[in-house]
Amino acid sequence: TQLLEQSPQFLSIQEGENLTVYCNSSSVFSSLQWYRQEPGEGPVLLVTVVTGGEVKKLKRLTFQFGDARKDSSLHITAAQTGDTGLYLCAGGTSYGKLTFGQGTILTVHP
Amino acid sequence: DAGVTQSPTHLIKTRGQHVTLRCSPISGHKSVSWYQQVLGQGPQFIFQYYEKEERGRGNFPDRFSARQFPNYSSELNVNALLLGDSALYLCASRPTPSGANVLTFGAGSRLTVL
Repeated sequence: TQLLEQSPQFLSIQEGENLTVYCNSSSVFSSLQWYRQEPGEGPVLLVTVVTGGEVKKLKRLTFQFGDARKDSSLHITAAQTGDTGLYLCAGGTSYGKLTFGQGTILTVHP
Repeated sequence: DAGVTQSPTHLIKTRGQHVTLRCSPISGHKSVSWYQQVLGQGPQFIFQYYEKEERGRGNFPDRFSARQFPNYSSELNVNALLLGDSALYLCASRPTPSGANVLTFGAGSRLTVL
């Protein structure tokens, strides 16, 4: 069974601070995706990383895929209150099934 | 273009009852997946359908079943509901089941079992 562990589970910070969320697994995935989910909504894709060692930037968000394609991190610079939400990592297989981590609830206080 | 639409958005059932949840994929998407998200956890894979055939099943009991129709919409059925079935049920679509295609999720159907 493929499992993804996210840490931390909860994160409460002040606006302007930096943060990093980690996603670790003992399994290799063909791709690693990060989603953001707001209350009452489905997850929305932020980024997909497929190559070991890959780094992608999306404005203030930086995503990294580990060299062995088993782990990933999401770093947010200068967090804003609009970044508040549930962040989910998900490992993908070639046939399309996604295995999700348990999520990180981020709260950014003004 | 409309995104993935799910109905109903909220529903309340009692233990032992049956529920049917519906999903309409994005136009042109032939693959539909269902996920269960229990409060405080990440979504868990239930089923994947493509061209009306089941292409994958997660670790869920036989009380859970699904089907896909010729227009690519899908239904998820859960029989003999248990309290633990209370969750957000998410439907997602993509053009084909290939992992290279991005999954687009609907807003979900929130099921409460009393």
